[in-house]
Amino acid sequence: DGGITQSPKYLFRKEGQNVTLSCEQNLNHDAMYWYRQDPGQGLRLIYYSQIVNDFQKGDIAEGYSVSREKKESFPLTVTSAQKNPTAFYLCASSSLAGVRTEAFFGQGTRLTVV
Amino acid sequence: QKEVEQNSGPLSVPEGAIASLNCTYSDRGSQSFFWYRQYSGKSPELIMSIYSNGDKEDGRFTAQLNKASQYVSLLIRDSQPSDSATYLCAVRSSGGSYIPTFGRGTSLIVHP
Repeated sequence: DGGITQSPKYLFRKEGQNVTLSCEQNLNHDAMYWYRQDPGQGLRLIYYSQIVNDFQKGDIAEGYSVSREKKESFPLTVTSAQKNPTAFYLCASSSLAGVRTEAFFGQGTRLTVV
Repeated sequence: QKEVEQNSGPLSVPEGAIASLNCTYSDRGSQSFFWYRQYSGKSPELIMSIYSNGDKEDGRFTAQLNKASQYVSLLIRDSQPSDSATYLCAVRSSGGSYIPTFGRGTSLIVHP
């Protein structure tokens, strides 16, 4: 079945530690996105990529890094520079061609600082 | 700054009633409009897409788009307790980055 897979579902980070969240899609989508959601809040864009080996900062990129070495994969690293990383992280992908450009989401990764 | 506005709610309706959720957007160049449902602790799930003015029906759901007034709405007929969730409106422009911009969502509670 086609879809987007995020792992892990839950992640715990110690102070000063970098952690990487995985996102893989087999929908053949060109665009991939990372959003952060805090309790009671909407989705805030961290990074996005529309083509392999290229990505752009979103509204809250500080303290995060990404790579897009393969079309299917768009991992997000939460660095120690991100001072308040506890949140629900959502990866999404979409087609850029044609009319149907809906974004589809993975199941999310809940990150907690311990 | 492209903005998508939604009333945060909660919107409370009795079972069997029609729930009406509204969304306004600031970018007149927007071409694609989406409604997502998000249950607590889960990721958003796409329930409706609409691309042209007017109504689009899918089962108990109807999306309505009025580009001149820059609003999009979602009607849920015969509301069920299982419809209780947060509904996110998303808007995408036709050019540029194609990034979907999301509203903060409206919390819907359907009580028996």
